[in-house]
Amino acid sequence: DQQVKQNSPSLSVQEGRISILNCDYTNSMFDYFLWYKKYPAEGPTFLISISSIKDKNEDGRFTVFLNKSAKHLSLHIVPSQPGDSAVYFCAASTTKTSYDKVIFGPGTSLSVIP
Amino acid sequence: KAGVTQTPRYLIKTRGQQVTLSCSPISGHRSVSWYQQTPGQGLQFLFEYFSETQRNKGNFPGRFSGRQFSNSRSEMNVSTLELGDSALYLCASKSGNTIYFGEGSWLTVV
Repeated sequence: DQQVKQNSPSLSVQEGRISILNCDYTNSMFDYFLWYKKYPAEGPTFLISISSIKDKNEDGRFTVFLNKSAKHLSLHIVPSQPGDSAVYFCAASTTKTSYDKVIFGPGTSLSVIP
Repeated sequence: KAGVTQTPRYLIKTRGQQVTLSCSPISGHRSVSWYQQTPGQGLQFLFEYFSETQRNKGNFPGRFSGRQFSNSRSEMNVSTLELGDSALYLCASKSGNTIYFGEGSWLTVV
């Protein structure tokens, strides 16, 4: 039973356009969400997070939107750059949780085409 | 501040052998966790250590074990290696609810 789903295994976007990566979750107890970026054979790098008390968080080119009623969050990258090509993992947790309760999605592979 | 560091970065082992991987968390972080990532899979939680004690364990066989030292450094060990153990092993430490990963140790079992 996947509690965190990323239904698009891959996504291709032209350089300069917007990339939208989606994530759905099933557990209504989740109240903290994170996005990680991962290059091959390297560890995931923390990108941005959002607490359930917000519906939007922005950091430079990256914006995360949270729709609690739909149990859906999305990561927007504007403008997309070739260096953004990587696998993006969505993760969800409850506050003050232990590592094993941080649930990661299966990832979406983003390719930004020059 | 240095990030999570892992050694070795790459290694090749033969079936039946054992392997030990090392991790130093971010300075000041007292808990450490380990994850396995295989091609096409998400991040699978292995175990978590805090103050030298294992706090949580994922759904992995007993061949996978770990420990944490008084300086928060951690090691994980896999005994009797199988081909399916080939994976990227990630160590992480945590600040609040944000997990910070090391670059990983890429293990190939032949």
